Amino acid sequence: AQTVTQSQPEMSVQEAETVTLSCTYDTSESDYYLFWYKQPPSRQMILVIRQEAYKQQNATENRFSVNFQKAAKSFSLKISDSQLGDAAMYFCAYRSGGDNNDMRFGAGTRLTVKP
Amino acid sequence: NAGVMQNPRHLVRRRGQEARLRCSPMKGHSHVYWYRQLPEEGLKFMVYLQKENIIDESGMPKERFSAEFPKEGPSILRIQQVVRGDSAAYFCASSPLADTKNIQYFGAGTRLSVL
Repeated sequence: AQTVTQSQPEMSVQEAETVTLSCTYDTSESDYYLFWYKQPPSRQMILVIRQEAYKQQNATENRFSVNFQKAAKSFSLKISDSQLGDAAMYFCAYRSGGDNNDMRFGAGTRLTVKP
Repeated sequence: NAGVMQNPRHLVRRRGQEARLRCSPMKGHSHVYWYRQLPEEGLKFMVYLQKENIIDESGMPKERFSAEFPKEGPSILRIQQVVRGDSAAYFCASSPLADTKNIQYFGAGTRLSVL
């Protein structure tokens, strides 16, 4: 079974600085997708960024980028120029390829942004 | 295009009562997933449904929990004879039939509190 591990329960960053959140996963599959979701206090799950395993190029979305190391099964999220609104729980998630499979989530990292 | 709608946002039940959680997927989406989030944990998959069919219920507890997605109307997650351990946030996600992006879109969740 696929598992997702986030080894940092909490992280803190100064406003305007850069922070990296770690995620590793375990799978024997070759076709899969990886995601980072943000969960602010409102509890809404917001998709931050998505990576296809077959793509070597790291995904980027404005201030958010990933470092996808397929061989190491690592999928870290980098937040540049951190803003107060980035404070939230961040969840790494794995989804098998093919049609409509469920997602496996890590335990989350709580990010605090200091003004 | 409205997002995934879940109601109620908060639900309080006494032990032994029934809880019914509703989820209306995004327009055009025919796949629904239910997840449970315990405090300070990531989301755990419960069940995956298409219209009138349960596709994967491997994450559902064997007793007291059931889910449906009728031809008309929202998907319902039903918990009979609730116990304190059922207190959690329950999230619904949906995806379209042709899920080429492999993205699940989440609702804001229902927080169930069992007294």
